[in-house]
Amino acid sequence: DAKTTQPNSMESNEEEPVHLPCNHSTISGTDYIHWYRQLPSQGPEYVIHGLTSNVNNRMASLAIAEDRKSSTLILHRATLRDAAVYYCILSRAWAAGGTSYGKLTFGQGTILTVHP
Amino acid sequence: DGGITQSPKYLFRKEGQNVTLSCEQNLNHDAMYWYRQDPGQGLRLIYYSQIVNDFQKGDIAEGYSVSREKKESFPLTVTSAQKNPTAFYLCASSIEARQGAFPQHFGDGTRLSIL
Repeated sequence: DAKTTQPNSMESNEEEPVHLPCNHSTISGTDYIHWYRQLPSQGPEYVIHGLTSNVNNRMASLAIAEDRKSSTLILHRATLRDAAVYYCILSRAWAAGGTSYGKLTFGQGTILTVHP
Repeated sequence: DGGITQSPKYLFRKEGQNVTLSCEQNLNHDAMYWYRQDPGQGLRLIYYSQIVNDFQKGDIAEGYSVSREKKESFPLTVTSAQKNPTAFYLCASSIEARQGAFPQHFGDGTRLSIL
């Protein structure tokens, strides 16, 4: 499975921007880069995803390196509600039973702590 | 509001007993998924379904079974063959499963424990 590397933990202050890095040097041309976040005892929440171009939505921005071997999730103004485990995942086309689909493989993620 | 509903939130199983976890979605999504999460770990795929009446094994399907008789529903049965069933179980859905182009939306999970 395609592997991503993220720092185990990061800290930020409230109202400041946060840049969460992710390395994915073995990414293939058809892999989508997904970001999810998870609070304790809750299901993961979709944040953003992209293929080649930078992406923006109401939650965050995704900056993808030109060679696609790394990406950065940007939270423009961190709030206490943004404290969570953030997962960077490559969705790789996966064939099983004669069909293919984008398989999400979750790693350990980055624990983001936001200080008031 | 549309979403995914998992029930129950907490479930207890006796040794040798089968239990079924419910997952219902009203998002009109074709694809549905079941994951397992152990403490401090990421999610691992158990089963997924791309359309009604079709499902495929994931990475850790042994000891589990599923059905997909309706688009809205994808129940997971944890059988007595699953030797270590204590975990947090998460159900997800996406518009379709095609090559990861669409995000997955998750329920709030069911925590299963062995008595």
